[in-house]
Amino acid sequence: AQSVTQLDSQVPVFEEAPVELRCNYSSSVSVYLFWYVQYPNQGLQLLLKYLSGSTLVKGINGFEAEFNKSQTSFHLRKPSVHISDTAEYFCAVTAYGQNFVFGPGTRLSVLP
Amino acid sequence: DTGVSQDPRHKITKRGQNVTFRCDPISEHNRLYWYRQTLGQGPEFLTYFQNEAQLEKSRLLSDRFSAERPKGSFSTLEIQRTEQGDSAMYLCAGGLAGGSSSYNEQFFGPGTRLTVL
Repeated sequence: AQSVTQLDSQVPVFEEAPVELRCNYSSSVSVYLFWYVQYPNQGLQLLLKYLSGSTLVKGINGFEAEFNKSQTSFHLRKPSVHISDTAEYFCAVTAYGQNFVFGPGTRLSVLP
Repeated sequence: DTGVSQDPRHKITKRGQNVTFRCDPISEHNRLYWYRQTLGQGPEFLTYFQNEAQLEKSRLLSDRFSAERPKGSFSTLEIQRTEQGDSAMYLCAGGLAGGSSSYNEQFFGPGTRLTVL
């Protein structure tokens, strides 16, 4: 079975500052990793995914994440955030594309 | 817009009533997933289909929950004898099974928010 931990439930940051949202996972098998964003009253939108290959993954809206197998982490980063990035961010894992396990989410608040 | 639609977007019902939600993925999606999301939590996996076959249903929350995908296209999720604890957002997602880079990606619908009074 897999599990996902998102260490920060809320992250406030000023506009144009950098941000890192942390994600750690546990699994006894190799996994695929994802970051999703959810705006209020909407479904989830895929930001980026790691399936294989380069451990640095670039996604939409200027986000990137780095897969670290030894630390079982997949932290999300953005060098300069905008007000429009205010949303809930979820890290997710799956082993075989069947059962997806999501973390509890991190609420990113970008302050003017 | 992912092309995945859910109906209704909001449902208010009284405890003990049955409710049914519908999900329409895009035609290419041979996989369809259902999740429940409660306030302040991440989505919780319930079940998934590959075409019309329900390949995982052990995570359905109780025998009051059931799902179908009769023709491998749209899917329904039914909750019988609703309880106040069933109040949540119910999300569905479409996806592809296969060896391409899109393997394992899910495309979420906007969700159905259920309120049980």
